[in-house]
Amino acid sequence: DSGVTQTPKHLITATGQRVTLRCSPRSGDLSVYWYQQSLDQGLQFLIQYYNGEERAKGNILERFSAQQFPDLHSELNLSSLELGDSALYFCASSYSGEKLFFGSGTQLSVL
Amino acid sequence: GENVEQHPSTLSVQEGDSAVIKCTYSDSASNYFPWYKQELGKRPQLIIDIRSNVGEKKDQRIAVTLNKTAKHFSLHITETQPEDSAVYFCAARWGAGGTSYGKLTFGQGTILTVHP
Repeated sequence: DSGVTQTPKHLITATGQRVTLRCSPRSGDLSVYWYQQSLDQGLQFLIQYYNGEERAKGNILERFSAQQFPDLHSELNLSSLELGDSALYFCASSYSGEKLFFGSGTQLSVL
Repeated sequence: GENVEQHPSTLSVQEGDSAVIKCTYSDSASNYFPWYKQELGKRPQLIIDIRSNVGEKKDQRIAVTLNKTAKHFSLHITETQPEDSAVYFCAARWGAGGTSYGKLTFGQGTILTVHP
């Protein structure tokens, strides 16, 4: 157990819908990262938050947004979902900015 | 931004053999290079990492070497066991502090299969 909690584990929805993925970092970690993993794209960095502030952005679509709350948990919002958004979404947290600890992921299926 | 290429994409070895996975990175400012192991259906887990001021690091059967001049680093697994079978990802972090801190760029992964 990495100490990073992600919910839900599985999410099945339809095209055009909006979903929210939730992540609770390890105790003491201020940084939260979101990654998307699909079969043909590996682990793609989406966005990073540090103590409530956005720190870095990857190739995150405009339909996707995220935030980190005062209690340090983070949410990733995916809207106007398309079939191609189906993937495994990982959250990771870090104290030092180096060693990332990943959650178990949320498997999103868009039908 | 950083680009990380990883080879081979698949690697099959016999139990007891050694396995080597290589990665190259594009940004000479990269300063931290971790390796993650992901078993089927599970999350990536850090197995070893190295900073740019170190050339080699070893932890039991696994080791990582870094060649900054050539901008490549490698994972070495000796005396492989069936439980080493997994997908291995290399990664690189570029920059030092600021918004780039902790932003890891991953390679495409290597599927390692160790046959008993």
